[in-house]
Amino acid sequence: DIQMTQSPSSLSASVGDRVTITCRASQSISSYLNWYQQKPGKAPKLLIYAASSLQSGVPSRFSGSGSGTDFTLTISSLQPEDFATYYCQQSYSTPRVTFGPGTKVDIK
Amino acid sequence: EVQLVESGGGLVQPGGSLRLSCAASGFTFSSYEMNWVRQAPGKGLEWVSYISSSGSTIYYADSVKGRFTISRDNAKNSLYLQMNSLRAEDTAVYYCARDKLGSSWYDYWGQGTLVTVSS
Repeated sequence: DIQMTQSPSSLSASVGDRVTITCRASQSISSYLNWYQQKPGKAPKLLIYAASSLQSGVPSRFSGSGSGTDFTLTISSLQPEDFATYYCQQSYSTPRVTFGPGTKVDIK
Repeated sequence: EVQLVESGGGLVQPGGSLRLSCAASGFTFSSYEMNWVRQAPGKGLEWVSYISSSGSTIYYADSVKGRFTISRDNAKNSLYLQMNSLRAEDTAVYYCARDKLGSSWYDYWGQGTLVTVSS
């Protein structure tokens, strides 16, 4: 199985900050990497697919990059509604996908 | 508007069974591959099962293989998960999720249904 790790596991940031979350795969997954946002008590929401493609309706302050084993989700200017947990997901071994453990972004 | 609505969760004793349903609307259900994903309380996301658009191809996570059965009824726009021999570690919120373009990124999720396995 492909294992996914994320760093940091949590971070505190202020509105307007630039935030970067890293995801690493245990083997090369090309660009088969997706990012989700989850708020408490809610279902995950797709933000980025195929490493860098922005899902329709997602604000442009979210961006993704990377390929192979190392990936990054960047929020260019953190907004109040962005405080949430973020998960990466590999879809290289489709349909047997795996998720990262999550990164919780909270208010400093 | 795309909607996925799960139902069927609840409290069940270890060794018991439950059947989850996911009612789909707002899109051509028969054209999309579907999945179940679960999340234990306070934990991360775990993929559980996949079914192709026709229902002819099915996959399970090792943790549920032999105990869970995924199925769909395209005439009723519904997805199902039959869960047998339930264990405490199956306690989780179960989400149905639509596969976008068959590439295993999930563009729509239901609100989830909680399954609690406890005596």
